[in-house]
Amino acid sequence: DIQMTQSPSSLSASVGDRVTITCRASQSISSYLNWYQQKPGKAPKLLIYAASNLQSGVPSTFSGSGSGTDFTLTISSLQPEDFATYYCQQSFTTPYTFGQGTKLEI
Amino acid sequence: EIQLLESGGGLVQPGGSLRLSCAASGFTFSSYAMGWVRQAPGKGLEWVSDISGGGGRTSHADSVRGRFTISRDNSKNTVYLQMNSLGAEDTAVYFCAKAPPYCGRDSCGAFDFWGQGTVVIVSS
Repeated sequence: DIQMTQSPSSLSASVGDRVTITCRASQSISSYLNWYQQKPGKAPKLLIYAASNLQSGVPSTFSGSGSGTDFTLTISSLQPEDFATYYCQQSFTTPYTFGQGTKLEI
Repeated sequence: EIQLLESGGGLVQPGGSLRLSCAASGFTFSSYAMGWVRQAPGKGLEWVSDISGGGGRTSHADSVRGRFTISRDNSKNTVYLQMNSLGAEDTAVYFCAKAPPYCGRDSCGAFDFWGQGTVVIVSS
């Protein structure tokens, strides 16, 4: 199985900050990388697909980059509603594994 | 508006069975792959299974293969997860999710719409 490792596991930031979360795959996954946001008690929400494509309806403050084994999710200016847990997921091959999550706190 | 409504969760004894259902609306159901993702209490997300739009192709995680079976009834716009030989490690919230349009009718691993989840607790 492909292992997905996110860093950091938790992050404290303030409204207006620029934040970057990284995700590393244990082998090359080309651009088959997705990012999700999850708030407590809620379902995950797709933010970025295929490494850098913004899902419809997602604010442009979110962006993704990377290919191969190293990927980043950047939030250019944190808004209050952005405080949540973020997961990367590889969709290169089954099983479609997720990272362990990054909890973004105020 | 796309909606996914899961049902069928509950408390079950170890070794027991449950069938989860996910009723979909707001899109052409048969045109999209569907999947199940679970989340154990306080833990991260784990992909469980998915099925192509026509139902002819399925995939399961190793942790559930041979015990869980995904299926769909396109006439009822519903996807199912039959879960047998349940153990404590299967305790989780189970989310039903839809594949994005760019996947076509096959699963590509990503999910653009999710239900709110149904809780499965395996305990004696």
